Amino acid sequence: AQTVTQSQPEMSVQEAETVTLSCTYDTSENNYYLFWYKQPPSRQMILVIRQEAYKQQNATENRFSVNFQKAAKSFSLKISDSQLGDTAMYFCAFMGDSGNTPLVFGKGTRLSVIA
Amino acid sequence: NAGVTQTPKFRVLKTGQSMTLLCAQDMNHEYMYWYRQDPGMGLRLIHYSVGEGTTAKGEVPDGYNVSRLKKQNFLLGLESAAPSQTSVYFCASSYEDRGRWIRAGELFFGEGSRLTVL
Repeated sequence: AQTVTQSQPEMSVQEAETVTLSCTYDTSENNYYLFWYKQPPSRQMILVIRQEAYKQQNATENRFSVNFQKAAKSFSLKISDSQLGDTAMYFCAFMGDSGNTPLVFGKGTRLSVIA
Repeated sequence: NAGVTQTPKFRVLKTGQSMTLLCAQDMNHEYMYWYRQDPGMGLRLIHYSVGEGTTAKGEVPDGYNVSRLKKQNFLLGLESAAPSQTSVYFCASSYEDRGRWIRAGELFFGEGSRLTVL
């Protein structure tokens, strides 16, 4: 079974600074997808960024980018120019390519952006 | 657009009572999911469905039952509620076309339902 590990339960960053959230995963599959979801205090889950394992280029969405290291099974999220609205829980998630494998989530990292 | 709607948003139950959470989506998605979220545990999959009339167990299915009689609805039932089922429940749906990898894996979530079992 696939597992997703987020080793940082809580992090904080100053406004306008850069922060990196870590995620590692375990799988025997060769093709899969990785995701970062954001959950602000409103509780709504929002997709931040997605990476296909067969793509070597790291995904980027505005201030959010990932560092995908397939051999190391690592998938970190970098937030540049942090804003107060980035304060949220961040979940790393994995979806395998085989069958109907649903999304598996890590336990989350609580990020606080400080003014 | 309504997206994914969960009812009720809040509920308090006594141990042993039964209840049903309703999830409705208007995006014609094939896949639907029920997760529970507990502090420090992330989101854990309870049950899911890959189409009308189908259901499958997730990571923590015990004590729950589900039904997908209509494509747009996914019901989560608690037959005899226990305090361990106190949690926030999230329904989600997704469009899956793995042959074309269109929006693969993007889940659309409801706003969550907070259930307390006394």
